[in-house]
Amino acid sequence: SQTIHQWPATLVQPVGSPLSLECTVEGTSNPNLYWYRQAAGRGLQLLFYSVGIGQISSEVPQNLSASRPQDRQFILSSKKLLLSDSGFYLCAWSIESGSTDTQYFGPGTRLTVL
Amino acid sequence: AQSVTQLDSHVSVSEGTPVLLRCNYSSSYSPSLFWYVQHPNKGLQLLLKYTSAATLVKGINGFEAEFKKSETSFHLTKPSAHMSDAAEYFCVVSDTGGFKTIFGAGTRLFVKA
Repeated sequence: SQTIHQWPATLVQPVGSPLSLECTVEGTSNPNLYWYRQAAGRGLQLLFYSVGIGQISSEVPQNLSASRPQDRQFILSSKKLLLSDSGFYLCAWSIESGSTDTQYFGPGTRLTVL
Repeated sequence: AQSVTQLDSHVSVSEGTPVLLRCNYSSSYSPSLFWYVQHPNKGLQLLLKYTSAATLVKGINGFEAEFKKSETSFHLTKPSAHMSDAAEYFCVVSDTGGFKTIFGAGTRLFVKA
């Protein structure tokens, strides 16, 4: 069966510091991968998605970036964090199957920028 | 363009009474529709999905949702609420491939003893 891991689970970082969040998927090959951010009291915002190694699409302009160095690894990064980067970051995967593409979510990383 | 509106930001029910969480959508395509549940500080768990098969979809934990094209609605229901159902629920619309996935703002469900 497939599983998805995210780490760290929680993170407190000062403004201006770098960021690296990691997401890995097990039990599947060539998944589509996604990064979402959930700000307090708000819905989910799609940040990046990837259909393959080295293929990243960005949905919104921001100071974040994403990379996919391996098939089942997806990394979210920032060179300098802003206060507004605080939130709950969720990674998800899916396998396209016609029109039934369901996304499965990891446990999330709670990021607090001080 | 796609959009999804969850009509209630908060819903409060008593344990053992029915649950109704409302969702309306718009889509230029034949959409896939989903309901997810999120418990505090947890990831999202898929409750159920509609993908142009049966209009009444049964999910986990006794939840179900009915796709009504004429009303562009996909409301989530459960006959009898349990304390463990207290969580936030997200209605989601997606086109083929899932790259244009839109999440509703969420509905927080409170269950009173």
